[in-house]
Amino acid sequence: GEDVEQSLFLSVREGDSSVINCTYTDSSSTYLYWYKQEPGAGLQLLTYIFSNMDMKQDQRLTVLLNKKDKHLSLRIADTQTGDSAIYFCAENRGYSTLTFGKGTMLLVSP
Amino acid sequence: NAGVTQTPKFQVLKTGQSMTLQCAQDMNHNSMYWYRQDPGMGLRLIYYSASEGTTDKGEVPNGYNVSRLNKREFSLRLESAAPSQTSVYFCASSGGLLDEQFFGPGTRLTVL
Repeated sequence: GEDVEQSLFLSVREGDSSVINCTYTDSSSTYLYWYKQEPGAGLQLLTYIFSNMDMKQDQRLTVLLNKKDKHLSLRIADTQTGDSAIYFCAENRGYSTLTFGKGTMLLVSP
Repeated sequence: NAGVTQTPKFQVLKTGQSMTLQCAQDMNHNSMYWYRQDPGMGLRLIYYSASEGTTDKGEVPNGYNVSRLNKREFSLRLESAAPSQTSVYFCASSGGLLDEQFFGPGTRLTVL
């Protein structure tokens, strides 16, 4: 099947905003997700957005969804060194499975 | 609640050896999954089980077998390990309203 695309690497300074982008493939996906993976750990759900929403805000996190362009973004405000991790976007194409992007490594420097 | 647990955490095998990776969840989820994660490749689905008693192939099933032992447990077996199976293996489960997946901590497998 087609791939979920993400840029592989992002480097920011502490206190800046980070924006991680994702292009997904299935316009009928019900939910789109952002997962965070810290070094040596499994993936944890960070946030999600329902397909009939354009934006969702959750404390420092803002998710934007452009269904026309099949584009999803995650903005982290006031990025901290503890935000350094790999971030995966994922879409629900049905059939009980999720399709993940290859992940964006976010490096936050002091 | 422990969530999703996996054993072992680390394993080193020689080529040709066999082993079973264990996974259990205590969230009463219907669906369970096995993924492998390799550098630059993201997560690739090996097998999944949409409900107790069913299993289906994912993107990379060759060289693996699975057993959905009951609703809680889903095991992954390597019958004859190969160096190409060196990877980090994650188990996940889902069954909530959002269809989100919950992941275990992973098993780091090296095949020499």
